[in-house]
Amino acid sequence: NAGVTQTPKFQVLKTGQSMTLQCAQDMNHEYMSWYRQDPGMGLRLIHYSVGAGITDQGEVPNGYNVSRSTTEDFPLRLLSAAPSQTSVYFCASSYSLAGTQYFGPGTRLLVL
Amino acid sequence: GESVGLHLPTLSVQEGDNSIINCAYSNSASDYFIWYKQESGKGPQFIIDIRSNMDKRQGQRVTVLLNKTVKHLSLQIAATQPGDSAVYFCAENRGAQKLVFGQGTRLTINP
Repeated sequence: NAGVTQTPKFQVLKTGQSMTLQCAQDMNHEYMSWYRQDPGMGLRLIHYSVGAGITDQGEVPNGYNVSRSTTEDFPLRLLSAAPSQTSVYFCASSYSLAGTQYFGPGTRLLVL
Repeated sequence: GESVGLHLPTLSVQEGDNSIINCAYSNSASDYFIWYKQESGKGPQFIIDIRSNMDKRQGQRVTVLLNKTVKHLSLQIAATQPGDSAVYFCAENRGAQKLVFGQGTRLTINP
């Protein structure tokens, strides 16, 4: 099992550009989430999904879109990047609703 | 809003000593907590969890204590090793994929 994988590892964007952060898991987990981590802080929940076709907002959803067309994949889209979105982004998955979440290695995003 | 927070941003211990990392929470209805370890450049890694029907839970070299009266939990690492150097987060699991993280404590091991 590769677990939770994320691509790219690092990305630089200009303000206003769009991009998609990829997340995939091979553990057949129904539940997946996206978090952002800013310097010196814990992770904050952006969006989450409880299964294919079902997504919901977390604590800091503004500026981000998600979709879940398959169990394995949960991409995060930035439609118009802003410098405030400079952060490290982590994807996580879990087997059950309140179960242990397993995190990917992260994507470091810099918006100029 | 309700929060989860750690007491100290940094902790330095001697190799071989025990480490204690503290965390406080504000919501008395909170019932499920998780400790994560995050090494540099990596995602958080699950260490141990505890539910509110327990006061103590032990793993391999780690113990989590939960004091519901004062809304405090701690992570104890026995015989700290260089590989324990990391940032440690306590998180409240509010269900439905909603983890609320504290700010983290950076643990440094002195040889």
